[in-house]
This record gives sequence, structure tokens and C-alpha cells, in this order.
Amino acid sequence: DIVMTQSPDSLAVSLGERATINCKSSQSVLYSSNNKNYLAWYQQKPGQPPKLLIYWASTRESGVPDRFSGSGSGADFALTISSLQAEDVAVYYCQQYFETPYTFGQGTKLEIK
Amino acid sequence: QVQLQESGPGLVKPSQTLSLTCTVSGGSINSGDYYWSWIRQQPGKGLECIGYIYYNGGAYYNPSLKSRVTMSVDTSKNHFSLNLRSVTAADTAVYYCARRPGGYCYFDLWGRGTLVTVSP
Repeated sequence: DIVMTQSPDSLAVSLGERATINCKSSQSVLYSSNNKNYLAWYQQKPGQPPKLLIYWASTRESGVPDRFSGSGSGADFALTISSLQAEDVAVYYCQQYFETPYTFGQGTKLEIK
Repeated sequence: QVQLQESGPGLVKPSQTLSLTCTVSGGSINSGDYYWSWIRQQPGKGLECIGYIYYNGGAYYNPSLKSRVTMSVDTSKNHFSLNLRSVTAADTAVYYCARRPGGYCYFDLWGRGTLVTVSP
């Protein structure tokens, strides 16, 4: 199975500041034939299901604010929130869909400093 | 808009079978555009993909659970189901149903989830 490792496990950022969450896969999730990275990001607020934020490593899902962006390729990825808002407090997960079984990172808890 | 809703017992005894149903509203399960998935989140842990099923019954199960899992789909009722046999306390989790666009393997719509506790 592809192991997804996120860092840090938790992060505290001031309102309006930038937050960056990293995700590393145990093997590349870049499919060479179409040059796409099979990597998604989700946001999970307390008591709610995960919500898809980004897929193909950098494509924002419809309705997701543009302060959320995804970057990276191969085995190293990042989710960046350019200006943290109070409603962004959540746990964030990355997920690879390069091969089955699809696997998730352990999650990064984002809080307000 | 399409919504997913899990239903089933919240308490299951060890060695018995966990059975859950996910009802799809606002859209048709047999549109062919999606795969219908089950994902679980054990207490204090991350997310685990259990498997997914297509409207025609074709299914994929995570090898770690394959020997105990069966999924089914009922297009007349617009729902799909999960059976997990021989449960133990380790199967205690919040179980989510989710939608996976055909051809892409991320999950773009989730149910609210249901907590299933395995206990005598």
C-alpha cells in the first residue's frame, strides 16, 4: 500500500497568516502518461464528514475559496491557505488515488494561534 | 442536490455482522457516472477506504478487509449497502458512505457518517 505521511501533525497559525500542510507519499503518485498527480486534499470540521477541497493535486473543487491552493508533484505535496480565516479550523487530510487501496494521510489539525 | 444518508444499527455484538445502508437522494444511483463507496474512521485514527461498488454490482474491496466484506446495490430503492462479518472491537468506527466520480478516485460527496460500536 502507498503510505501517506503528513506534517506537521498539528499547526497553530494566526488569523490572516499563511498556513502550509505537507504530504509525502511512499512512492510517486504522478502518472506519466497524462502527467497528472493522483492526490486529493480534504477538510474535516468537528462533527462533520470530510469535504473535498482539491484534486489532481492542484485543482480546486467548485465552491472552495481561492485562499486554498495545492502544489507539488511526484511524492511531495502541500496544501496552503494563504490567509487563515476562523472557519478554516479543521483537520486536513491528503489522499492518494494512484492505486488501490486508496490511502489517506493521518491528518493535520489546524488551529488558531 | 444529491445527498447521501447512512442508516443501520449503532451497536453490534462481537462476531456478528455489521450492516449499513446508504440512501442516495436527489440523484439516481444507476446513472453510471459514479462509484458508491464506504469509508471508515476509527476513533482517534485516520480514514480507511473499505471499498466501492458500481450500479451494476461490480465491486472493489480493500484487501485488508476483503475476506469479511460484501457490498450490494439496490437500484430500485436507490441505495447501496455494506456488510462486514465477524466484527471485533477494532471495527468500532464512524462509517461514511461517499460518492466517487467514475474514472476518478477521489470522493466528492460524503454522507454525515454513522457511529457503529462493537460491544457485547
